[in-house]
Amino acid sequence: SQKIEQNSEALNIQEGKTATLTCNYTNYSPAYLQWYRQDPGRGPVFLLLIRENEKEKRKERLKVTFDTTLKQSLFHITASQPADSATYLCALDEGGTYKYIFGTGTRLKVLA
Amino acid sequence: SQTIHQWPATLVQPVGSPLSLECTVEGTSNPNLYWYRQAAGRGLQLLFYSVGIGQISSEVPQNLSASRPQDRQFILSSKKLLLSDSGFYLCAWSVDSRGNQPQHFGDGTRLSIL
Repeated sequence: SQKIEQNSEALNIQEGKTATLTCNYTNYSPAYLQWYRQDPGRGPVFLLLIRENEKEKRKERLKVTFDTTLKQSLFHITASQPADSATYLCALDEGGTYKYIFGTGTRLKVLA
Repeated sequence: SQTIHQWPATLVQPVGSPLSLECTVEGTSNPNLYWYRQAAGRGLQLLFYSVGIGQISSEVPQNLSASRPQDRQFILSSKKLLLSDSGFYLCAWSVDSRGNQPQHFGDGTRLSIL
């Protein structure tokens, strides 16, 4: 079955630097891959969706890449700010079903 | 605009007691609806999803059940709670789709079983 691996260790970076988070999946390549932000005690908030035929997607300071050969997506936050501190979740569609599979998330802390 | 409401925000229940969590969506029709559970430091575990009134798909065998009595109402229930039912319960909706639409989450219910 499909599994998602995200670095469970927290990522600490200095303000102004670019944060890069990794999402690896183990099985078939999904048609769609999504990234969410989750703040403590809150529900996840959708950030970006990328399709399998797209290499890169951008939204303001956010950039997502999708490499089906490596079975990997990278999530970048440029010019990071302390307000970007949160847990970031990767999610995949499960083989054309109505279901989504979520990773455990990576906690990002941007230091002022 | 669409909104999703979940209540209560926190709940403390004794082992063996019943449970009812409610989720409602406004501003859209015929959404796909989902219940997830998130344990501390863990990912989101899909519990149930529904693509229409009365249509419930269960993903994990357990003592929980779900119902969708109205188009935009999704209820998570249990007749007898177990200690292992503790966790953060999240309701979500999406446009009727197969993965190509974002999910929109409520703010969750923190359930503690004593």
